[in-house]
Amino acid sequence: KAGVTQTPRYLIKTRGQQVTLSCSPISGHRSVSWYQQTPGQGLQFLFEYFSETQRNKGNFPGRFSGRQFSNSRSEMNVSTLELGDSALYLCASSVSGVAGELFFGEGSRLTVL
Amino acid sequence: QKEVEQDPGPLSVPEGAIVSLNCTYSNSAFQYFMWYRQYSRKGPELLMYTYSSGNKEDGRFTAQVDKSSKYISLFIRDSQPSDSATYLCAMSETQGGSEKLVFGKGTKLTVNP
Repeated sequence: KAGVTQTPRYLIKTRGQQVTLSCSPISGHRSVSWYQQTPGQGLQFLFEYFSETQRNKGNFPGRFSGRQFSNSRSEMNVSTLELGDSALYLCASSVSGVAGELFFGEGSRLTVL
Repeated sequence: QKEVEQDPGPLSVPEGAIVSLNCTYSNSAFQYFMWYRQYSRKGPELLMYTYSSGNKEDGRFTAQVDKSSKYISLFIRDSQPSDSATYLCAMSETQGGSEKLVFGKGTKLTVNP
């Protein structure tokens, strides 16, 4: 059974640019969550989508946005990148959003110069 | 005060030692308690998941929850070099119909052969 796939795995951007990250959940999983991981703040919840609807959102500025498609694949976008956005962005999928069923991908490591 | 506090370590132990990892929390609304293991350059993987006070055992791992003290622990018996990783505690609360995870910052563990 294929796991959660995130692309790209690594990317470098400059301040002011925007970035789009992609997540393909495990087949049959309808919930996709996004987390930001940094050495200083640890893992922080960004948002969660279920059946194309955002059900939950963390405390991040509006520059961070996401969406989910009908096939459950999800994308997140960060506009007007700042140096502090450098982080590992992790996607997790589950059947229905139950915490004990979350499976994480390996992440997309974003470096902002 | 952070919602979840976790000693970042690092923690270095000899092979075969008993390891104790701990987290405290302040939010009484947390309902579910988890421990994740994260190897370098990988996404977190769920180790233990529990929702009630008491102990839960799975092989060499024991998760302990004390809701009255707002304290959770993970014990690793007969630790192995393959246990070397960062261990993250996480807690969830239900918001907007889904569960939102709040993570500790992680404890880096090294088990020396």
